[in-house]
This record gives sequence, structure tokens and C-alpha cells, in this order.
Amino acid sequence: QAVVTQEPSLTVSPGGTVTLTCGSSTGAVTSGHYPYWFQQKPGQAPRTLIYDTNNKHSWTPARFSGSLLGGKAALTLSGAQPEDEAEYYCLLSYSGARVVFGGGTKLTVL
Amino acid sequence: QVQLVESGGGVVQPGRSLRLSCAASGFTFSSYHMHWVRQAPAKGLEWVALISYDGTNKYYADSVKGRFTISRDNSKNTLYLQMNSLRAEDTAVYYCAKVGAAGGYWGQGTLVTVSS
Repeated sequence: QAVVTQEPSLTVSPGGTVTLTCGSSTGAVTSGHYPYWFQQKPGQAPRTLIYDTNNKHSWTPARFSGSLLGGKAALTLSGAQPEDEAEYYCLLSYSGARVVFGGGTKLTVL
Repeated sequence: QVQLVESGGGVVQPGRSLRLSCAASGFTFSSYHMHWVRQAPAKGLEWVALISYDGTNKYYADSVKGRFTISRDNSKNTLYLQMNSLRAEDTAVYYCAKVGAAGGYWGQGTLVTVSS
């Protein structure tokens, strides 16, 4: 079973830029893994920010963007706001309909 | 707009069964694969099961294989998760999710507590 890895925690200053990454134990992450990024705040259901590597929903703030970077999927937050403090999860799809979540990144805006 | 509403959670003793439901609206339910995802208290998200749009293909996490069954009724726009032989480690909020090429949508979740 593949393991998907994320930074356990990151800190960003208000107005700053931070990149969260999502790696796979099987090798480089590609668009064929259809990377997803979710945001979850305490007591709330997850909310999808990015799907299929770099596609945004209508509710996704423009300051969030998705990409592939150095063999990983990446979520970049440019111009962090206090309300961006949350847990962020990535999701990768594998052959045989295997779907694996990363362990999550706790993002602090401080 | 896409709406997913889970129900059926509650407190159940170890070894017993429970069936969760997810009522879908705002999209053509019969055209999309659907997932169940769970989150244990203070833990991360764990994918549980996937069912194809027509119910033909089903896939499970190793942790629930042989105990849980995912199904759907496209005439009722409803997704199900039959959970048998429940264990304490199955305690979690269970979410249904539509995750695919057209984006990702989540329900609000339903809490399942397995305790004697």
C-alpha cells in the first residue's frame, strides 16, 4: 500500500507565502495521481480547495494554487490570511482505484 | 448545488452492525463514483470505500475489507455503508464524498461510536 507524505506542520507569517507538499512512496507524483487538496478547520467537514493538480472550485480563494514541484504535488498559499490557519490534506489516486490520503499538514499563521 | 447528507450514525456495541446512508442532490448521482471517508477523533482522514457510478465495482481499505459493504441505490440518489463486526477502532466521523474529475464535495459527516 502506498504511503502519502506531508509536512506535519508549517508556520507562515500573515501576508507571507508557504508551499505544502505531497509525496508518494511509490515515486514521483504526476498528474495521473489526480492530486487533490482539502482544507479542514476544527469541528468542520473538509472542503476541497484544489482538484486534479491545479483546478480550483468557485469557492477557492485566489491566493491558493496547486502544482507539481520536484516530484511532488504542491499547494502554494500566497498572501496568507489568519483564516487560512487549518489542517490541509492531500489525496492521491493509484491504479486499481486505490485512494490514499496524506497525514495532513497543520498550518499556523503567526 | 451539490448536497450530500449523511445519516445513521450513533453509539453501537463492539461486534454489532450499523448502516449509514448518504442522500445526494444537486447533481446526476448515477453518473458519478462515490466514496466513504472517515476520521477518528483527533486523527487524519482515512479513505474507506469507493463504488463505481453504476454499483458494479467496489473497493475497500484493508482495514474494513470483509466487514464493510458499500452500495448505492441510483433510483433513490442514496449511498450506503453497511458496517458489520464493528470494533472500537471504527469510531469516527464518517463522510460521504463525491471526488472525481469534476471536483470534490463532502457531506457534513455522521459520528459512529463503537463502545460497550
